[in-house]
Amino acid sequence: DTGVSQDPRHKITKRGQNVTFRCDPISEHNRLYWYRQTLGQGPEFLTYFQNEAQLEKSRLLSDRFSAERPKGSFSTLEIQRTEQGDSAMYLCASSPGLWGSYGYTFGSGTRLTVV
Amino acid sequence: AQKVTQAQTEISVVEKEDVTLDCVYETRDTTYYLFWYKQPPSGELVFLIRRNSFDEQNEISGRYSWNFQKSTSSFNFTITASQVVDSAVYFCALSEARGTGGFKTIFGAGTRLFVKA
Repeated sequence: DTGVSQDPRHKITKRGQNVTFRCDPISEHNRLYWYRQTLGQGPEFLTYFQNEAQLEKSRLLSDRFSAERPKGSFSTLEIQRTEQGDSAMYLCASSPGLWGSYGYTFGSGTRLTVV
Repeated sequence: AQKVTQAQTEISVVEKEDVTLDCVYETRDTTYYLFWYKQPPSGELVFLIRRNSFDEQNEISGRYSWNFQKSTSSFNFTITASQVVDSAVYFCALSEARGTGGFKTIFGAGTRLFVKA
């Protein structure tokens, strides 16, 4: 397994457009997480899945954001009607385990620039 | 509520010096996990260590060591004999169980470490 893959690596979009990012976790990992990181800050929690179930979504996330993980494999994060404030690095991570909390394996991230 | 504080924004040391990165956390749970991650200039976050709330033993891994003290809610990270390759941003993180199932992890703001040759 080559780790967590994210696609695309970079995305430049015009304000108001919709964008979708994809994350392929490590195949044995049943937990998948999305975080957002802006310059000089730590990763900010967006949402997470255990298998195909989305267990929690950050209250900071507006209704313009939606995430899916069909069949408990890859996940997509969609941002509708993008705004300049959405510009950030979007990080996906996965971890094993059903009980307890384990260290994450992060992907390289998708850098979104909204112009 | 969960909170992680890394009061040191930036630290600069000369190679071979020892350096300690501080982390203070807040939680109401008795079961929780603490982590450290490294983000080198290349950008990808790398997991370094995990500790659960019931294990206060200090840990050493090569030049890295971690000191977990529940009494002061701290989980500090020491690099001994620092090297230029240690230059990175280091994040402390806290994970708590959620009522919905699973665990949610929050990260501190990070400490940027510069190691000069």
